[in-house]
Amino acid sequence: NAGVTQTPKFRILKIGQSMTLQCAQDMNHNYMYWYRQDPGMGLKLIYYSVGAGITDKGEVPNGYNVSRSTTEDFPLRLELAAPSQTSVYFCASSYSGTGGHGNTIYFGEGSWLTVV
Amino acid sequence: AQKITQTQPGMFVQEKEAVTLDCTYDTSDQSYGLFWYKQPSSGEMIFLIYQGSYDEQNATEGRYSLNFQKARKSANLVISASQLGDSAMYFCAMRGASNTGKLIFGQGTTLQVKP
Repeated sequence: NAGVTQTPKFRILKIGQSMTLQCAQDMNHNYMYWYRQDPGMGLKLIYYSVGAGITDKGEVPNGYNVSRSTTEDFPLRLELAAPSQTSVYFCASSYSGTGGHGNTIYFGEGSWLTVV
Repeated sequence: AQKITQTQPGMFVQEKEAVTLDCTYDTSDQSYGLFWYKQPSSGEMIFLIYQGSYDEQNATEGRYSLNFQKARKSANLVISASQLGDSAMYFCAMRGASNTGKLIFGQGTTLQVKP
């Protein structure tokens, strides 16, 4: 089972460049999320989606955009990269938005992004 | 606002001993869920255990158990018989009642298991 797949795993960007982090899940999950993790810190929510065509901002959305045209894919776009966006990015998915028993939240392996 | 607090930045434990990682939370939701994740040095997030706010019994998963004290708003993780492979960062997280599935994470506790 592939689960949640993120690409690329590592990327170095120059200030002002743009890029897209890809996220795909093959579990037919409705809910998808993008988190960032700064060194030594917990994860913070950037954007989330409760279904195809529906997205909403999380705690730290500035500098990012997302789209959800299909159930499977949830790309994260970084526009005009800044050093403050140097972080590890995690994509996650779950079947629904409540509960935990049998509704595990699955995480991708992370994407390490450095902006120089 | 919802908040997760992990007050132990780093912990040491001797191999084969038990260790408790602290987590307190703040929420006004009546229905919520509490999660613990393990993040080894390789970086992936590994789900360990879940406790629902209405669950009457403390959750257990193998060597992991969650000491849930609702009145004190605490959800401590207990790892029994520590192994060297338990050395990692551990995160407590909460999902509220909003039906969006969003998780709020604590800052994490680094656990080192000594041989």
